[in-house]
Amino acid sequence: DQQVKQNSPSLSVQEGRISILNCDYTNSMFDYFLWYKKYPAEGPTFLISISSIKDKNEDGRFTVFLNKSAKHLSLHIVPSQPGDSAVYFCAGREGTYKYIFGTGTRLKVLA
Amino acid sequence: AAGVIQSPRHLIKEKRETATLKCYPIPRHDTVYWYQQGPGQDPQFLISFYEKMQSDKGSIPDRFSAQQFSDYHSELNMSSLELGDSALYFCASSITGTGNEQFFGPGTRLTVL
Repeated sequence: DQQVKQNSPSLSVQEGRISILNCDYTNSMFDYFLWYKKYPAEGPTFLISISSIKDKNEDGRFTVFLNKSAKHLSLHIVPSQPGDSAVYFCAGREGTYKYIFGTGTRLKVLA
Repeated sequence: AAGVIQSPRHLIKEKRETATLKCYPIPRHDTVYWYQQGPGQDPQFLISFYEKMQSDKGSIPDRFSAQQFSDYHSELNMSSLELGDSALYFCASSITGTGNEQFFGPGTRLTVL
């Protein structure tokens, strides 16, 4: 039972353009959503989060949108840079100390 | 800045052996999490500790146990290892009440032969 789904396993975007990574969830108990970036042979690195009571959070080039009625969130990266090439995971927080991760999307930014 | 430290970084064991993975959280972080990431899979939440007490449990097999010590470091003990336990094991730490952003360690790659 995959509670957090990232239906696109990979995405290629031209440098300077917008990258949009999508995430769907089924668990209505999630109160926080987080995005992580992961490079090979490293642990995930926190990028940005959003509370379930908000619909948008912005931090520099990264913006996360939450559509609670559709149980959908997305991460926008503008402008995309080659260094953004990595695997991106979204995660939902259930309770205070339990996080459920999605399956990841591999982003490739082409120079 | 200090990061989460995991040791060892690589571990090779035989079937039915035991393994102990260690995690040293970022200083002043009060919560530790353990995740298992199989090849091509998402990180699966195993267990978490808040202030040295188990706080949440995920898909952790009964053969595994974990604890957090007085100095806040945590150990994941794995017994009767199976081939399917081969994975990357991540530890993460966070401070409660700050949005709960987790900071991940580099992981321990366990290979069971």
